[in-house]
Amino acid sequence: ELKVEQNPLFLSMQEGKNYTIYCNYSTTSDRLYWYRQDPGKSLESLFVLLSNGAVKQEGRLMASLDTKARLSTLHITAAVHDLSATYFCAVDWNQGAQKLVFGQGTRLTINP
Amino acid sequence: DTGVSQNPRHKITKRGQNVTFRCDPISEHNRLYWYRQTLGQGPEFLTYFQNEAQLEKSRLLSDRFSAERPKGSFSTLEIQRTEQGDSAMYLCASSSGPWQETQYFGPGTRLLVL
Repeated sequence: ELKVEQNPLFLSMQEGKNYTIYCNYSTTSDRLYWYRQDPGKSLESLFVLLSNGAVKQEGRLMASLDTKARLSTLHITAAVHDLSATYFCAVDWNQGAQKLVFGQGTRLTINP
Repeated sequence: DTGVSQNPRHKITKRGQNVTFRCDPISEHNRLYWYRQTLGQGPEFLTYFQNEAQLEKSRLLSDRFSAERPKGSFSTLEIQRTEQGDSAMYLCASSSGPWQETQYFGPGTRLLVL
């Protein structure tokens, strides 16, 4: 059974600082997704990582995938308050069926 | 708006009642997924359709749950004889099929069983 673990689960940081969220998974997969969820809202797609070594960047967020280590990271650069949200990673467990297994989520709070 | 839509957005019901939720995917998407999310957790996969065919169901989906996608367009998720443990957010997502693409999520239906 595929397990996806994120850490930290809670993160409070100041504006302007850098930090990294980690996503580990237990079974071989080369497809990993990052989503953002605001309180009471649905999930918004951030990144799709499809191969070992994939790196994608959008604004202050950068995601990478190391399939050999079964690890993805979401790096936040010079955080701003608008990035406060819960971030989920999800792994495609079924080789392209996109049957996603999600991590528990990382609740990020960015303080002025 | 051409995103995924779900109705109703909120549903309060008494234990033992049946409820039905509807999901309208993005029009050209042939894959449709249902997930359940409880407070403080990530979404859990329930079932998915490729066009009108239901290809997989999670063990989480007891016999009280049934999903349909009769014409390969909208989908319904029915819960019979609801229990308090069914209280959750039910999320629908759709994708165009190729694994390179992400899933697009709807706003969800929040169910409260009293």
